[in-house]
Amino acid sequence: AQSVTQLDSHVSVSEGTPVLLRCNYSSSYSPSLFWYVQHPNKGLQLLLKYTSAATLVKGINGFEAEFKKSETSFHLTKPSAHMSDAAEYFCVVSLRYGGATNKLIFGTGTLLAVQP
Amino acid sequence: GAGVSQSPRYKVAKRGQDVALRCDPISGHVSLFWYQQALGQGPEFLTYFQNEAQLDKSGLPSDRFFAERPEGSVSTLKIQRTQQEDSAVYLCASSSTTDTQYFGPGTRLTVL
Repeated sequence: AQSVTQLDSHVSVSEGTPVLLRCNYSSSYSPSLFWYVQHPNKGLQLLLKYTSAATLVKGINGFEAEFKKSETSFHLTKPSAHMSDAAEYFCVVSLRYGGATNKLIFGTGTLLAVQP
Repeated sequence: GAGVSQSPRYKVAKRGQDVALRCDPISGHVSLFWYQQALGQGPEFLTYFQNEAQLDKSGLPSDRFFAERPEGSVSTLKIQRTQQEDSAVYLCASSSTTDTQYFGPGTRLTVL
């Protein structure tokens, strides 16, 4: 079965310092993996996705993630945090129905706080 | 429209009332999903449509939950005889032929 585990429920960083949000996945085949961000009272926004092309994926707002099959990890990073990055971040794996699009399985989320 | 829209944005219902939540997907998107997000949790899958066909409803928590998409565009999620445990944000997402799902802002349902 497909699943994701977000290792930290809360992460706090200072503005201008690096961000690391950790995610491990479980999948019986090569997965599609995503990071979504959710700002308070806002909808979910796609940050980036991995679909078996390059293992280092660049997303919006300076975020990137690296797919490591040997470690079953898909950690999200950003070199320098900005106050506007404060939000909840979800690591997501997709469950495929044949060749069609499919349902998403969300992690429990990591709440990122950015201190001035 | 440019994105997925949902209405109403907020709904307060008394326990036992029926509610209907609407989703307008991105024009041309054949796939439509409903998710339920309880407070402090990640979204959980409810049901999936491909055009008008409901291909997966395994996530619907009870037979009080019903979803439809009769013309393959707008979808309605109906909850009958609402209970307090139904209080959550209900998210709709649509997708074309890729893996990427685009989410609406959600409907926050509060059952008193």
